[in-house]
Formats: sequence, structure tokens, C-alpha cells
Amino acid sequence: DIVMTQSPATLSVSPGERATLSCRASQSVSSNLAWYQQKPGQAPSLLIYGASTRATGIPARFSGSGSGTEFTLTISSLQSEDFAVYYCQQYNNWPPVAFGQGTNLEIK
Amino acid sequence: QITLKESGPRLVKPTQTLTLTCTFSGFSLTTSGVGVGWIRQPPGKALEWLALIYWDDDKGYRPSLKSRLTITKDTSKNQVVLTMTNMDPVDTGTYYCAHRIVVAGIALDAFDTWGQGTMVTVSS
Repeated sequence: DIVMTQSPATLSVSPGERATLSCRASQSVSSNLAWYQQKPGQAPSLLIYGASTRATGIPARFSGSGSGTEFTLTISSLQSEDFAVYYCQQYNNWPPVAFGQGTNLEIK
Repeated sequence: QITLKESGPRLVKPTQTLTLTCTFSGFSLTTSGVGVGWIRQPPGKALEWLALIYWDDDKGYRPSLKSRLTITKDTSKNQVVLTMTNMDPVDTGTYYCAHRIVVAGIALDAFDTWGQGTMVTVSS
């Protein structure tokens, strides 16, 4: 099974600053990587698919990059509504579809 | 507009079988490329994919849980049903169903629309 490892587990950033979240796959997943945002008490919502394509309605401050085994989600200027938990997910080799363990983005 | 909603028991006893229903609208599970998945989340923990069913009735299961899981669809009712046998307290969590993304006719095994989730507690 492919294992997805996210770092850091918790990231403290001030509003208006840039946040960089990392996701590493235990083997290549090509560009078959998605990012989700989950706020407390809510279902996850899709941000990015294909490693770098924003889902419908996602603001341009969210960007994804990477391929193979190393991926990054960047939020260019953090807004108050961006503080949440972020998950990466590979869908290249499955079963199983694999999620990372999440990065908790908190206000500094 | 695509919507999904999970339903089922909130409390099950250990060793019992859990049956969850995902009722959806805004798409058809007879359309090529369409799929619906189930994902769960133990309290305070990460997401865990469980199963996925496609328009052509192809199915995929989490290998470690495959012997306990069954996913089926009822296209006339716009429903997907997940059953999980031999429930254990470690199976406690929120269970989500989600729609497989289709963009420009290309389907990917990522999920663009999720239900609100249903919390299931396994306890005697």
C-alpha cells in the first residue's frame, strides 16, 4: 500500500502570511494527488486535484505543486477562514485510496 | 447541484452488522465514469477510505477491511448502501459518502462533493 506522510503535523501561521504544507508518497503517484480542507464539525471539501488544478470555486490563493512523491499545498495569504485541517490523498494506485494523516493549520 | 446524505443507526453493538445508506441527487450512477465512495473518520483522527462503487458496478474495497465490507447501488432509488459486519468499538467514527469527481469527461478517484457525514458509535 502507498503511505502518504504529511508535514508538519501542526503549522502555526499568522493571518496574511504564506503557509506551505507538504505531502510525501511512499512511491510515485504521478500527479494523481488531491488536497482537501476540513473545518471542525464539517465534511472535507476538495481544494486541488491533479496535484495542481483548483477545484471549482477555490480561490487563487490556494495552489498545489509537485509530482511523483513530493507535493506542496501553498496558501499565499492566509485568511481567517483558511485555518483548518488539510489532507492530501493519492488516487494513482489503489486499493486503497490513501489519505495522509493531516496538517492542522492554526493561527499564530 | 450534487448532494449526498448518509443515513443509518447512530449506535450499534459489538459484533453487529452496520448498514449505511447514501441517498444522492444531481447525478446518476448509470452515467459512465460516475462513482460513489465511502470514507470514515474516527474521532480526532484522519480520513480512511473504505469502498467505492462505479457506474458499471465495479467495486473497490480497503484491503484490510475487504472481508467485512459490501457496497451496492440501487440506481432506481439513487442510493448506495455500505454494510460492515462484525462491528467493533474501533469502528466508531463519522462515516461519509462522496461523489467521484468527473471533469471534462474524465473521472478521477478524488471526491468533489461529500455528504454531511453520520456519526456511528459502537458500544455495548
